[in-house]
Amino acid sequence: DSGVTQTPKHLITATGQRVTLRCSPRSGDLSVYWYQQSLDQGLQFLIQYYNGEERAKGNILERFSAQQFPDLHSELNLSSLELGDSALYFCASSVDWTSGPRRTDTQYFGPGTRLTVL
Amino acid sequence: LAKTTQPISMDSYEGQEVNITCSHNNIATNDYITWYQQFPSQGPRFIIQGYKTKVTNEVASLFIPADRKSSTLSLPRVSLSDTAVYYCLVATGNTPLVFGKGTRLSVIA
Repeated sequence: DSGVTQTPKHLITATGQRVTLRCSPRSGDLSVYWYQQSLDQGLQFLIQYYNGEERAKGNILERFSAQQFPDLHSELNLSSLELGDSALYFCASSVDWTSGPRRTDTQYFGPGTRLTVL
Repeated sequence: LAKTTQPISMDSYEGQEVNITCSHNNIATNDYITWYQQFPSQGPRFIIQGYKTKVTNEVASLFIPADRKSSTLSLPRVSLSDTAVYYCLVATGNTPLVFGKGTRLSVIA
């Protein structure tokens, strides 16, 4: 158990609909990352938040948006869903050292949300 | 972000030592090398991280030569439960991870 929780575990919806995926990071972690994993694209970074602010953006579609709340949980909103949006969506969190040794923080991944768009 | 190259797949028998090599010719001075493991339908899990020479933990060892242009993940005495995809990544600080295709390890009884 990584300490990162994601809900729901599975989501089945229709094209054109909108869904919200939720992520609770590990206690004390300030950074939250969203990744999408599909069969043809592999694991792709979508967006990162640090302490409520957007920090980095990857291959995130305009139909997708995210936010991080004061309690540090994060939500990923997917709208106007298309068949191709069917994938596993992972959230990860890290401590995000702002000082100290320069290294790469370990990212802890949640169990994922499997989204199926019919 | 540095690009990594690793074998697409590997097979091994139970009890053998498995070495997966990753090339990262354009690694930057501040980059660290990190390996993740992923089982089907689960999120990736951190295995080990290093900067140079050798790092060992309870799960694996990581060998990094002086030029840091490659690294080798060593899994001692693998079991069936080590069947997974292994990703090699290089990154600095708290940047998002760039995953390649990874190496699909199949352990055979």
